[in-house]
Order: sequence, then C-alpha cells, then structure tokens
Amino acid sequence: AQSVTQLGSHVSVSEGALVLLRCNYSSSVPPYLFWYVQYPNQGLQLLLKYTSAATLVKGINGFEAEFKKSETSFHLTKPSAHMSDAAEYFCAVSEGGGGSYIPTFGRGTSLIVHP
Amino acid sequence: DAGVIQSPRHEVTEMGQEVTLRCKPISGHDYLFWYRQTMMRGLELLIYFNNNVPIDDSGMPEDRFSAKMPNASFSTLKIQPSEPRDSAVYFCASSLGPGRGYNSPLHFGNGTRLTVT
Repeated sequence: AQSVTQLGSHVSVSEGALVLLRCNYSSSVPPYLFWYVQYPNQGLQLLLKYTSAATLVKGINGFEAEFKKSETSFHLTKPSAHMSDAAEYFCAVSEGGGGSYIPTFGRGTSLIVHP
Repeated sequence: DAGVIQSPRHEVTEMGQEVTLRCKPISGHDYLFWYRQTMMRGLELLIYFNNNVPIDDSGMPEDRFSAKMPNASFSTLKIQPSEPRDSAVYFCASSLGPGRGYNSPLHFGNGTRLTVT
C-alpha cells in the first residue's frame, strides 16, 4: 500500500527566502509522484510531477522537486519565495507497474509568506 | 478547455434537507473522483468512477451519501438527509486515467462549500 507523509502542517518563510516543503512516501512499486497547490477558495492544481525521466523535476512558478529513491523523498523547493506563493501544498503518490493508479494525498502543508 | 465545472459554489441548507452537488468533468477524461475536504480529516476520497461505472465507494461515509454518473459528462453527489457534520468543501476531479500513463494527473474543480445548519 502506498502512503505519503508531509512533515509540518505549516511552514513560514520571509519573502525572498528559500522554500522547502517536505514529502516522504512509501510504495511497494516504483512510484509516480506529484505536487499540487491549492489557493484559497480554489481546487487543487498540478504544480509538477515525477515520471522517472529525470530525478529533478521543474514545475510552474519556479518550483522544483527532487526524487531521492534512497530517502523515499520528493521534497519541493523554490529558491526565493514570493507573496503569491502563499497557499496549501499537497504531495501525492500513485503506484506504477500495475499498482494502484488512484493517488494517495498527504495532509497538506500551508505555506505562509511574510513580507 | 473549461476545466472541471462544479455547481453550486456554495450551498447552505438545514439539517434533514436533501443536497445535490453537480459536476461536469473535462471532455475525454475516463475517471471521475469525488473528494471531501475538512480541516479535521484533510482530503478524503469518497468515490470514483471509470467510464461512468462506480469502481470504489468505500470512502462514502454513510448510506446517506450516494453518487451517480449517468453519462460521461455529468455526475452528482447526493446527501439525504444532510447533517451538520457533512459541512465541508466537496471537490470533483477528473483524469485520463492509467491507460494514458500512470502519471496522468487529476484536474480539480473549484469545489462546493456545503454548510448544514
């Protein structure tokens, strides 16, 4: 069975500072990993996805994530936070190789950006 | 592409009343999902359909909840009778499904905020 753990329900950074949102997963088969972002009063939107083509994945709005198999991690980073990045971020995992396509979502991390 | 369309955006009703939430998925998507989001439980998968057929409804909390997908372009989630603890944001999402690759992401609507008083 697959699972996702997002460390920290809230992360607070200053504008211009590095953003690091942590995600660890468990999967019995090679995983497909996703980050979604949810702005207030909106649905989740895809930020980026890992599909085994490259371990470093670039997404929208300057975000990127690195897949580390040895650490079973898929942390999300952005070099310089902007006020508009304030939102809820969700990590999700699907199992490849004939496993369950239905994604499992983490509990989410709320990113707070201070001026 | 208009995206996933949900209606209504907000619904306020009294306990005991029937509530119907509606969803129009993206054309060509084979999978449709209903989720519920609350502060306490986070994002919960209620039910999902493949080619209009319900595949897994194990997340539906009680018999008061039912979902249908009469055709590829429309789905409903009904709560009858509604209770205050059903208050949440309900999301519909659609996707191409694993047949087009396991990396097919979900596309979410903007949700229906349900308040039961």
